[in-house]
Order: sequence, then C-alpha cells, then structure tokens
Amino acid sequence: KAGVTQTPRYLIKTRGQQVTLSCSPISGHRSVSWYQQTPGQGLQFLFEYFSETQRNKGNFPGRFSGRQFSNSRSEMNVSTLELGDSALYLCASSPDRAPDTQYFGPGTRLTVL
Amino acid sequence: AQSVSQHNHHVILSEAASLELGCNYSYGGTVNLFWYVQYPGQHLQLLLKYFSGDPLVKGIKGFEAEFIKSKFSFNLRKPSVQWSDTAEYFCAVITNAGKSTFGDGTTLTVKP
Repeated sequence: KAGVTQTPRYLIKTRGQQVTLSCSPISGHRSVSWYQQTPGQGLQFLFEYFSETQRNKGNFPGRFSGRQFSNSRSEMNVSTLELGDSALYLCASSPDRAPDTQYFGPGTRLTVL
Repeated sequence: AQSVSQHNHHVILSEAASLELGCNYSYGGTVNLFWYVQYPGQHLQLLLKYFSGDPLVKGIKGFEAEFIKSKFSFNLRKPSVQWSDTAEYFCAVITNAGKSTFGDGTTLTVKP
C-alpha cells in the first residue's frame, strides 16, 4: 500500500497570506490527524477528522482550519499567516478513529517570511 | 489538560550501552500510550503502544516499555543500543476521545 502523501512538500509564503495543505491517507484509512512540529516544541496536535467530521481540536487559533472529504483526503488551511506559523506540518492517518495507530506522512515544510 | 514530559532532550550513548528514556504524563482518565521514532530522513513510525493488559510491552527492534500507572510513567528501554538506533523518540498519550499529546522528543545519538 502506498503511504501517507502530503502536498506540497515545501512552501514559502509571506505574512498575511493564506495557505492550504493537502493530505492523502493510506487507502482504507478513515481518520486523519494534523500536527505542527517545531524545533524544541515537539508535535502539537491540531485536529483529527474521522468520516468527514472533526472529532478533536488542539489549542490553536481559529486561523487554523481543516476538512475531510468523502474519500478521506484532508486539507488544512491557515489564514493570515504569521511568522510563528513556520513549521513542519505533519499529517497522520489511521484505519479507525484515534487512539488507533497513526501512520505519518513526510510533512509539508512551511516557511513564512 | 493532559501533558507529556520527556525528561531527556538529548542522550548520547556508546554502542552496546543500555537505554532508558523517561516519559511521564498527566491525565486523570484512561490513557493510551505510544512511543514513536523518527530516524534521520524518515517519517515518524510506531515503536510500540500500550492500551491495556500486560504493562510491559514489546515493540520493534528490541525496544520495550513499561507502563507504571502509579507513577504516570511509560519509560522506553533497550538493553543494548546500536548505531542504527540514532533517532528522535517521541512519547505520546492519546485519550479514548482521540485527543493526542506528544512529548517534546528525545534525540538519541549512538556513537559507534
């Protein structure tokens, strides 16, 4: 089976812009979670989607949003980008809802200038 | 609010040395515990997990972890590390409701 894929792999944006990141889960997986990874802060949980519904949300401002489509693919959107949003954004898919084992993608490296 | 603390940010060992990475969590309810590993240039992958039952769990590549409920700990161990174990290790707690919390990670460097 193909692994979790994330596009694009790298992005450079400027402050105030918005960005959309995409995640394609492993075939058959119904849950997708998103994380922000920064040096020294580990992985910060953004949200989890299961069957097109957001189950959980981490402690991030409303500028961070997401959605999941009927084919389980997910997108994450960040509006009004700030310098502090520069990070690696990881997507993980699971066969079932959390706390099932998560399979991580390679991430999207976002740089905000 | 739940939290996960990994005490060691960077551990340096020689090959064949024993390894123990600490992980403590804070959460009042039922927890599901995980250790994930990220080898250089690779994706995060599962090392082992604990949901219930035997508190001593075995994972891939000779790793094991022990859940001690009274200490809120889930420490990772390996009797003899290899150079190929050089990686970053993350402890995670996921509640039954699906809320995930990861520790800040421990970088392990194994000297050949």
